Amino acid sequence: GQQLNQSPQSMFIQEGEDVSMNCTSSSIFNTWLWYKQEPGEGPVLLIALYKAGELTSNGRLTAQFGITRKDSFLNISASIPSDVGIYFCAGLYSGGGADGLTFGKGTHLIIQP
Amino acid sequence: KAGVTQTPRYLIKTRGQQVTLSCSPISGHRSVSWYQQTPGQGLQFLFEYFSETQRNKGNFPGRFSGRQFSNSRSEMNVSTLELGDSALYLCASSLGGTADLETQYFGPGTRLLVL
Repeated sequence: GQQLNQSPQSMFIQEGEDVSMNCTSSSIFNTWLWYKQEPGEGPVLLIALYKAGELTSNGRLTAQFGITRKDSFLNISASIPSDVGIYFCAGLYSGGGADGLTFGKGTHLIIQP
Repeated sequence: KAGVTQTPRYLIKTRGQQVTLSCSPISGHRSVSWYQQTPGQGLQFLFEYFSETQRNKGNFPGRFSGRQFSNSRSEMNVSTLELGDSALYLCASSLGGTADLETQYFGPGTRLLVL
């Protein structure tokens, strides 16, 4: 089946720092999604990307759909304490069915004040 | 508008038992998907129901089953529980179009511990 490698696994940063994380796949996706999950909650969609090379922002978050369609990147600028959580990437097959949604294992973001 | 609700939030069972988890989707949503989340495997798709029919299925053994009712509420059942079934079980709802997975809304999950 599909494999998504998400890195880094965890990040310990100072408040105010920028954050970068990425996902790579062995196969092509035609949609990339980025989610954030906080303790005791389900994942919440942050950004959706639909075209190779697409760069999309949502406030301090910026995500890119890699040109090869096998990778995606998420950047968070000027991190704040509420950014703490687990960030997941997910890739979607062209079929669009729920079985085509493959998740990375997450990046744990921890912010030290 | 109320979000996706899941009950119970926490559950402890012993090996060999069975368990039923419930999910109430957002009003008007007709698709419900179930996912298993573990530290080792991450989020894995179990199955999706739309209009009371299973529309998609992941690679899980037959011990995992589900159903959807006419009001779009869904249940999943795990029979003959194993230690490895300990996980956070998440459900997500969407309107149900074939290409609207990016508009899935997740519930808070049911944390199952199998002893």
